[in-house]
Amino acid sequence: GAVVSQHPSRVICKSGTSVKIECRSLDFQATTMFWYRQFPKQSLMLMATSNEGSKATYEQGVEKDKFLINHASLTLSTLTVTSAHPEDSSFYICSGRRGGQNEKLFFGSGTQLSVL
Amino acid sequence: GENVEQHPSTLSVQEGDSAVIKCTYSDSASNYFPWYKQELGKRPQLIIDIRSNVGEKKDQRIAVTLNKTAKHFSLHITETQPEDSAVYFCAAVNSGYSTLTFGKGTMLLVSP
Repeated sequence: GAVVSQHPSRVICKSGTSVKIECRSLDFQATTMFWYRQFPKQSLMLMATSNEGSKATYEQGVEKDKFLINHASLTLSTLTVTSAHPEDSSFYICSGRRGGQNEKLFFGSGTQLSVL
Repeated sequence: GENVEQHPSTLSVQEGDSAVIKCTYSDSASNYFPWYKQELGKRPQLIIDIRSNVGEKKDQRIAVTLNKTAKHFSLHITETQPEDSAVYFCAAVNSGYSTLTFGKGTMLLVSP
């Protein structure tokens, strides 16, 4: 089946630093990439939607200057958490939309971010 | 916008019993309803999905039903096994994925 590769799986950083998370669709072209954060025992909260070559659309309450999303190609999207703070610690996960007649979503493996 | 309600939030069953998780949605434009299983710290995995032109779909021990008129859809797991224990999420999606909304999840615990 289709695979979305997400890296890194875990990152620990100091407060104030920036962290980049990458998602690659390995065997399909992801026309749309969704980015979520998930707190323990909670649902997936959509942060933003990005279409290849376009600016991302952010959900209400998500700071676009803090969470920079780039979707430069149909197989790569990145999320950069700028000037990370302890409250940004969370599980971040992407999903790529495979279009076509049988369109489906495929999730990355997630990134556990811990900001000290 | 779309609103997806999922119940129950937790469900405990004995091995071999059936489990049913229900979701309702509000936007009649939603036409695709996937179900995901997420084990702790792992990615959600698609387990079954249904499109609005179908009322029921089955895959071995898992089935999903959709009632478009009432705007609800359900996941049915028969002959549950301990390895079915996980969090299950439903979602409602419209054409083109311009809206994609997840339910809050159901933690299923299957006891041996």
